[in-house]
Amino acid sequence: GENVEQHPSTLSVQEGDSAVIKCTYSDSASNYFPWYKQELGKGPQLIIDIRSNVGEKKDQRIAVTLNKTAKHFSLHITETQPEDSAVYFCAASPGNQFYFGTGTSLTVIP
Amino acid sequence: DADVTQTPRNRITKTGKRIMLECSQTKGHDRMYWYRQDPGLGLRLIYYSFDVKDINKGEISDGYSVSRQAQAKFSLSLESAIPNQTALYFCATSDGARGQTWQYFGPGTRLTVT
Repeated sequence: GENVEQHPSTLSVQEGDSAVIKCTYSDSASNYFPWYKQELGKGPQLIIDIRSNVGEKKDQRIAVTLNKTAKHFSLHITETQPEDSAVYFCAASPGNQFYFGTGTSLTVIP
Repeated sequence: DADVTQTPRNRITKTGKRIMLECSQTKGHDRMYWYRQDPGLGLRLIYYSFDVKDINKGEISDGYSVSRQAQAKFSLSLESAIPNQTALYFCATSDGARGQTWQYFGPGTRLTVT
């Protein structure tokens, strides 16, 4: 099955700086890559997603890039704010199932 | 009101007991999923269902069973709970009519098996 690795496991940044979280996947059949944000005591919520026919997607301060050849994709958050502090998960889907990374705990220091 | 609800939100049970976790959704989605979350391991798929008559095993189905009672209801059962099933459990839904798309997660059930 698919194997998704996510790094780093923890990340601290100063407010206003950028944060980058990286994921790799193993199954070349994976063609859909969502990113989720999980706040304390809540379920994960989608923040952005990308399909394999697109190399980059941006939504305000959040962007995702995908390199199919290298099988890796990244989440970029610019101008970080304290409310960005949460756990972020990447996922890859080759079809019916989703395979998640192990999560990155992001702390934005005011 | 929440689109995906899970009951109970917290549960403590003893080893060997049978327990059921319930999930209901008002989103009208046809696809439903059960995941468990453990620290450092992310989310792992237990079972998923694409309609009322469709049930599929995920990565870690051993020790679990599910029932899709209606399009809006999907229950997870632990037949004989054991301590290593202590985890946070999430139900999720997605809209199959839109093809491969993201999932909406419930608020989670924290299960402790003593």
